[in-house]
Amino acid sequence: DIQMTQSPSTLSASVGDRVTITCRASQSISRWLAWYQQKPGKAPKLLMYEASNLEGGVPSRFSGSGSGTEFSLTISSLQPDDFATYYCQQYRTYPYTFGQGAKLEIK
Amino acid sequence: QVQLVESGGGVVQPGRSLRLSCTVSGFIFNTYAMHWVRQAPGKGLEWVAVISYDGTSKYYADSVKGRFTISRDNSKNTLFLQMNSLRAEDTAVYYCARDQLTAGYFDYWGQGTLVTVSS
Repeated sequence: DIQMTQSPSTLSASVGDRVTITCRASQSISRWLAWYQQKPGKAPKLLMYEASNLEGGVPSRFSGSGSGTEFSLTISSLQPDDFATYYCQQYRTYPYTFGQGAKLEIK
Repeated sequence: QVQLVESGGGVVQPGRSLRLSCTVSGFIFNTYAMHWVRQAPGKGLEWVAVISYDGTSKYYADSVKGRFTISRDNSKNTLFLQMNSLRAEDTAVYYCARDQLTAGYFDYWGQGTLVTVSS
């Protein structure tokens, strides 16, 4: 199975900050990576697919990059609505696997 | 608009069975692969199973293989997850999710249904 490792697991930041979350795959997944945002008690929401393609309706302050085994999700200027947990997911091969999550907290 | 609504969760004893349903609307169900994803309390997301648009292909996580069965009824726009031989570690919120163009990522999710396995 492909293991996905996110870092950091927890991140404290302020409104207006630029933040980056990284995701590492245990083997190459090309660009078959998605990012999700999840708020407490809610279903995950798709942010990004194929590593860098923004899902419709997602603000442009979100961006993604990477290929192979190293990926990142960047929020250019944090807004209050962005404090949540973020997950990466590989869909290169079954079983699909998620990272353990990165919780973005208000500093 | 696209909607996915799970049902069938509840409290069940270890070793017993439960069947989850996911009723969808707002899109042509029989053209999309569908997945189940679960989340144990306070934990991360775990992919559980997938079924192709026509039900002919299915894949499972090792943790549920041989115990869970994914199926669908395209005439009723409904996805199912039959869960047998339940264990305490199956306790989780179970989400159904649509596979965008069978690409492998999930563009719409249900609200989730909680399954608690406890004696």
